[in-house]
Amino acid sequence: QKEVEQDPGPLSVPEGAIVSLNCTYSNSAFQYFMWYRQYSRKGPELLMYTYSSGNKEDGRFTAQVDKSSKYISLFIRDSQPSDSATYLCAMSAEEYGNKLVFGAGTILRVKS
Amino acid sequence: GAGVSQSPRYKVAKRGQDVALRCDPISGHVSLFWYQQALGQGPEFLTYFQNEAQLDKSGLPSDRFFAERPEGSVSTLKIQRTQQEDSAVYLCASSLTYGSYEQYFGPGTRLTVT
Repeated sequence: QKEVEQDPGPLSVPEGAIVSLNCTYSNSAFQYFMWYRQYSRKGPELLMYTYSSGNKEDGRFTAQVDKSSKYISLFIRDSQPSDSATYLCAMSAEEYGNKLVFGAGTILRVKS
Repeated sequence: GAGVSQSPRYKVAKRGQDVALRCDPISGHVSLFWYQQALGQGPEFLTYFQNEAQLDKSGLPSDRFFAERPEGSVSTLKIQRTQQEDSAVYLCASSLTYGSYEQYFGPGTRLTVT
């Protein structure tokens, strides 16, 4: 079993929809949670960074962390075709040094 | 400002050849990371530098993989005697300070071993 599980999709939604992307994890020591967006043949781009539990909002993006359930989410409001990409969750803990443990990524397609 | 840059962007090597992949981190970033990304998977950690010191190389898959950052800026990942299973995208990331989890990635080098 992988430390971080992420549904690979693809997830296909119409333009303007609210998108929910999720990851589950097994190591309760994880405290630092990131979401990256990766376009085809590009490097991952940091979207959101959250420490411990709670919500964080940035524009159309909201990240949620539920440590009791070992579950994190990224919500995208008013989705646009330009949001079509692979979304990677990543996490870490002090015992890992600074290395990130990634999920496999969810492919999102927003149709106009 | 300039982001993380990597070169070459694409590399085709015959099995058994040695390759060298270069990473230029964001100027002033102390920490530098190498990850390997197989097709359809998330990046997997290879190794980590703080300035010129290699603090963690636990993710290097074999002793054919070697990384260095001699002056604490540019880094090179070298793979000796390449094998087909080494085919992947090699990503470099940097972060501003030690202890920062906000890592900024370059575009990657896509290595194909034939």
